[in-house]
Amino acid sequence: GAVVSQHPSRVICKSGTSVKIECRSLDFQATTMFWYRQFPKQSLMLMATSNEGSKATYEQGVEKDKFLINHASLTLSTLTVTSAHPEDSSFYICSARMGVDTEAFFGQGTRLTVV
Amino acid sequence: AQKVTQAQTEISVVEKEDVTLDCVYETRDTTYYLFWYKQPPSGELVFLIRRNSFDEQNEISGRYSWNFQKSTSSFNFTITASQVVDSAVYFCALSEPFGNEKLTFGTGTRLTIIP
Repeated sequence: GAVVSQHPSRVICKSGTSVKIECRSLDFQATTMFWYRQFPKQSLMLMATSNEGSKATYEQGVEKDKFLINHASLTLSTLTVTSAHPEDSSFYICSARMGVDTEAFFGQGTRLTVV
Repeated sequence: AQKVTQAQTEISVVEKEDVTLDCVYETRDTTYYLFWYKQPPSGELVFLIRRNSFDEQNEISGRYSWNFQKSTSSFNFTITASQVVDSAVYFCALSEPFGNEKLTFGTGTRLTIIP
């Protein structure tokens, strides 16, 4: 299958700082990328959908100003957690797909810990 | 609204036993995809299968098999002759109609294979 790389895999940051997570499609161009969040021992919840060159579409309850998503190129989407707080500590995972009606491939995930 | 139910929170079986993970879904859409993913302790999501709603044929891939029953809205996953490496959390997921790969995940089943 296609390869999606997420960086960093783990990050610890201080409360109040911002953290950027990158999601790259390594061997294909991703027209759409998805960002999910997973709390410990829970399921994955979709946060937002980002299409290259346009604004991300956020799911209900997800703060746009807190979770900034940029999809500036066909191979890169970034999620920035702004002014992070301990409750933002979670596992964030992205997925990317080539086009309409194609399967999405997941990155390795980023474990964010805010102290 | 879409919903995926994995009623089995945790399952433990002895190595070499067969095990079936249940998945029941709800959707008003007539076209959709169903998925199974494996999440080992390292956290990444490993894609196992994607099945479209028009294809009710059962599928077998090595020790894995899937039973899709549209009449009961179920998409169960069986591992035959389980191995310790099968220990992981398994997620069933449902996508929106063709053209949109937003996934609704079940709560996952934690499978432990006892040596």
